Amino acid sequence: AQTVTQSQPEMSVQEAETVTLSCTYDTSESNYYLFWYKQPPSRQMILVIRQEAYKQQNATENRFSVNFQKAAKSFSLKISDSQLGDTAMYFCAFIPFESGNTPLVFGKGTRLSVIA
Amino acid sequence: GAGVSQSPSNKVTEKGKDVELRCDPISGHTALYWYRQSLGQGLEFLIYFQGNSAPDKSGLPSDRFSAERTGGSVSTLTIQRTQQEDSAVYLCASSEGRGYSGNTIYFGEGSWLTVV
Repeated sequence: AQTVTQSQPEMSVQEAETVTLSCTYDTSESNYYLFWYKQPPSRQMILVIRQEAYKQQNATENRFSVNFQKAAKSFSLKISDSQLGDTAMYFCAFIPFESGNTPLVFGKGTRLSVIA
Repeated sequence: GAGVSQSPSNKVTEKGKDVELRCDPISGHTALYWYRQSLGQGLEFLIYFQGNSAPDKSGLPSDRFSAERTGGSVSTLTIQRTQQEDSAVYLCASSEGRGYSGNTIYFGEGSWLTVV
């Protein structure tokens, strides 16, 4: 079974600073996708960034980037130039490329607070 | 529609009553997921539908919970004889399906259920 672990329940960062959220996962699959989702107080889950396991290059979306270490099964999210609107719960998630009926597996989340 | 639509957005019900939560996925999406999120917690997988395959019900917490998906589109999650511990946000999500197409999962805004 796949598991996703986010070891930081809560984090805070000063506005304009950089913060890194950790995520590790466990799987026997060789091909899979990893995601970071953001859930602001409005409850809407928003996709932040996606990484395909077969790609060695780390994904980047504007101020958001990941450090994907496949051998270590690590997938951290870096937020640069943090903004007040980044305050939210952040969830790391995993899904195999192609396998039966396995649903998206989520970590328990990290609550990020951006402080002015 | 443009996104995943859920209704009602908020529901308050008395303990022991039955409730139905509706999810209208993105048009053309064959995969549909239900998750439960208790206050301040991560996402708990409930059930997964993929096309015409038998649903994966492995996450349903008890036989009071059931879900169906009619015509491969709209899904209804039913909770019978609600209990206070059923209070949570119920999130629905959909995707194009599984496989090498790099599917991303899109979430609705959730149905907030409060059992009093």
